[in-house]
Amino acid sequence: DAGVTQSPTHLIKTRGQQVTLRCSPKSGHDTVSWYQQALGQGPQFIFQYYEEEERQRGNFPDRFSGHQFPNYSSELNVNALLLGDSALYLCASSFLDEQYFGPGTRLTVT
Amino acid sequence: AQSVTQPDIHITVSEGASLELRCNYSYGATPYLFWYVQSPGQGLQLLLKYFSGDTLVQGIKGFEAEFKRSQSSFNLRKPSVHWSDAAEYFCAVCIQGAQKLVFGQGTRLTINP
Repeated sequence: DAGVTQSPTHLIKTRGQQVTLRCSPKSGHDTVSWYQQALGQGPQFIFQYYEEEERQRGNFPDRFSGHQFPNYSSELNVNALLLGDSALYLCASSFLDEQYFGPGTRLTVT
Repeated sequence: AQSVTQPDIHITVSEGASLELRCNYSYGATPYLFWYVQSPGQGLQLLLKYFSGDTLVQGIKGFEAEFKRSQSSFNLRKPSVHWSDAAEYFCAVCIQGAQKLVFGQGTRLTINP
């Protein structure tokens, strides 16, 4: 059984550009959450998707948006990239209250 | 608002020594509690969780944690560490049913041979 997968592994973008990160949840999981982990920090909750709707949102600007597809996979989109958006982006899938994390996408904004 | 404090940013222990990583949380009720481990450049792996019941919970890799309601703490312990335990450890809390994790800042564990 495959766990949570994320693509791409690494990404380098320039300020002002847009980026899309992808996540496939663990089999049987219907909820996907996204977290941003800056260097040396704990992960910060961005938002959560359930039944293709954004169910919860953390303290992130509207430049961060997402989508969940009927097969429960999800995308995270970030517009107008800033240097401060450089981080490890983690996807977690869950069924009930236990979250399983993917390996993350390392985004570098130059 | 919920918050999680891990007072120790960096801990160094010798291989074979015992380990205790501290975690305190701030929340009006008892949340769900978790410990995750992260190796360099990797995602997070769940070590153990507490939802209710027995306050001493066993996890993977020989780790255990004890929930103390009176101290709002959920400290992680291991009786004898191995070099492979070197990693970053995160304590997290979750409001029941909310599935939104709030993490501490993490404790980096270094193992001396």
